[in-house]
Amino acid sequence: EPEVTQTPSHQVTQMGQEVILRCVPISNHLYFYWYRQILGQKVEFLVSFYNNEISEKSEIFDDQFSVERPDGSNFTLKIRSTKLEDSAMYFCASSGDRGDQETQYFGPGTRLLVL
Amino acid sequence: AQSVTQLGSHVSVSEGALVLLRCNYSSSVPPYLFWYVQYPNQGLQLLLKYTSAATLVKGINGFEAEFKKSETSFHLTKPSAHMSDAAEYFCAVSHSSNTGKLIFGQGTTLQVKP
Repeated sequence: EPEVTQTPSHQVTQMGQEVILRCVPISNHLYFYWYRQILGQKVEFLVSFYNNEISEKSEIFDDQFSVERPDGSNFTLKIRSTKLEDSAMYFCASSGDRGDQETQYFGPGTRLLVL
Repeated sequence: AQSVTQLGSHVSVSEGALVLLRCNYSSSVPPYLFWYVQYPNQGLQLLLKYTSAATLVKGINGFEAEFKKSETSFHLTKPSAHMSDAAEYFCAVSHSSNTGKLIFGQGTTLQVKP
């Protein structure tokens, strides 16, 4: 069964460093998302992406964040200068399969720890 | 604006007992509603969804949920809990669009006692 994959599973970084989180969505999906879950809190929407541009973003998704689909298969989230409060689990999701367009399928997540 | 409220951050049941996890939503447009499950150290797995078809929705692992518009609820039930059901459960809403972001509730941790 097709699934969303994410790399790395864990990342530790120093405050102020740039990180890139990678996702491979399900191959025939058209809509891509990033969410995050701070430890003990609910899952929060960050950004959605369609047709090579951002379709919606939350107020969390400030200028420090960017997304890209560089090669037609990967979908990346970049945090330019990490802060302590960026420590969270980041989930990628995709949707848009014909006949099941509304269902978002999630990857296993990348746990980011900013020291 | 859409929102989701899950009543009870922790629910504890005995193995074999009924599971009832509550979810209420608010939405100004017809909603799509979802239940996801998160096992420890894993991602989110779709349990079931409501997308304006049948109001009683059956999902995986014996779970089902009923959409009640008059009560703005989408409670998750399972007749008989199994130890393997112990996990965190999230209710989520999106508007009727295939580009819609998901708005999640706070989550409910289900504990199953032997």
